[in-house]
Amino acid sequence: QVQLQESGPGLVKPSQTLSLTCTVSGGSISSGGYYWSWIRQHPGKGLEWIGYIYYSGSTYYNPSLKSRVTISVDTSKNQFSLKLSSVTAADTAVYYCAGAPGYDILTGYYIWGQGTLVTVSS
Amino acid sequence: QSVLTQPPSASGTPGQRVTISCSGSSSNIGSNTVNWYQQLPGTAPKLLIYRNNQRPSGVPDRFSGSKSGTSASLAISGLQSEDEADYYCAAWDDSLVAWVFGGGTKLTVL
Repeated sequence: QVQLQESGPGLVKPSQTLSLTCTVSGGSISSGGYYWSWIRQHPGKGLEWIGYIYYSGSTYYNPSLKSRVTISVDTSKNQFSLKLSSVTAADTAVYYCAGAPGYDILTGYYIWGQGTLVTVSS
Repeated sequence: QSVLTQPPSASGTPGQRVTISCSGSSSNIGSNTVNWYQQLPGTAPKLLIYRNNQRPSGVPDRFSGSKSGTSASLAISGLQSEDEADYYCAAWDDSLVAWVFGGGTKLTVL
């Protein structure tokens, strides 16, 4: 079955850009089967949806983060990525990549990566 | 401050039935279906209930969901020690145009 694995720096300096990659295995990222998303969880807190990208390349971002977020797909590597610019300590969180079914995104996220902690600190 | 409101904690003894509530508004729960996630300690969330009351394959029928108006509930019957986890509700919000989550409920099995 489809599995996800996040990768990227665990430490980012304030004002810099956070960059994470999610590798998809067990299926093609361009098959149209999923909405590929990023969701984060601040330490000891709840979940915050960041945005998604569909295999066609269409994206949708949380309006609260939209000005700083870019999600993209690299079909040749079967990966999708997150870039979050101008980070502050408030962006310190565990970042998850996740997938929701392409036939009905409201069904929710039933595929998750294990998460990666990103700390913003100088 | 989460858009959806959940009690921060809940508890029960093995075998009991517990319910966890999730309160929202007309723009989220009132307009769209609700999903529930279970997050065991140190792990990623897992989809537990989707479309208000549907269970993904592999989720025991001890878990059930319901929705009425702008509120939803997750019920766990026959409580087991392995059910000790954080539980989150989620719904699409038509006003914010984003997925919104509850703050999570920490379930303790006494």
